[in-house]
Amino acid sequence: DVKVTQSSRYLVKRTGEKVFLECVQDMDHENMFWYRQDPGLGLRLIYFSYDVKMKEKGDIPEGYSVSREKKERFSLILESASTNQTSMYLCASSWRAGANVLTFGAGSRLTVL
Amino acid sequence: AQSVTQPDIHITVSEGASLELRCNYSYGATPYLFWYVQSPGQGLQLLLKYFSGDTLVQGIKGFEAEFKRSQSSFNLRKPSVHWSDAAEYFCAVGAAYGNKLVFGAGTILRVKS
Repeated sequence: DVKVTQSSRYLVKRTGEKVFLECVQDMDHENMFWYRQDPGLGLRLIYFSYDVKMKEKGDIPEGYSVSREKKERFSLILESASTNQTSMYLCASSWRAGANVLTFGAGSRLTVL
Repeated sequence: AQSVTQPDIHITVSEGASLELRCNYSYGATPYLFWYVQSPGQGLQLLLKYFSGDTLVQGIKGFEAEFKRSQSSFNLRKPSVHWSDAAEYFCAVGAAYGNKLVFGAGTILRVKS
């Protein structure tokens, strides 16, 4: 089975800090995604990447950036964390020909104080 | 614009009772539809998907869903709910191959014994 690992399950940061959320997948998937999950809003796509060093904005990219230097790793960066970025962040991956079937990590719950 | 509506935020059913979770979508092209489940503290897991063909699709854990084009619906059903089905369920719509799924806000299922 594909495994998507998010290194930090819970983080507490202060306003203005730079935050890195790391995601690693172990099945050579081409596509990787970062979603934000908030109650009542479902999942919203922040960024995705379909190849190394390639990225595209999703629906809510403001305040975020991403990095994909290696195929298996996709990082989400909050340059200057704000309280409205307190949320659950979900990483996912898929095979390019895998018909939008996403494999998700367990999530990283970020609290910004 | 693409959208997914899950009208029920919370549903409570008794163990052994039948279940139906509603999903309505708006999509400009042929929709490809998905149901994902999120157990507490976990990432999302694919339950089932519909791309074409038979409008009644079977998934894991005894779930099924029926695509009704005329009603723009893709409701999820299970004949007999188990306590372990308590989770949050997400409906999603997108292209068959591509990089973007639109998720509904989710329905939280509670199972009472």
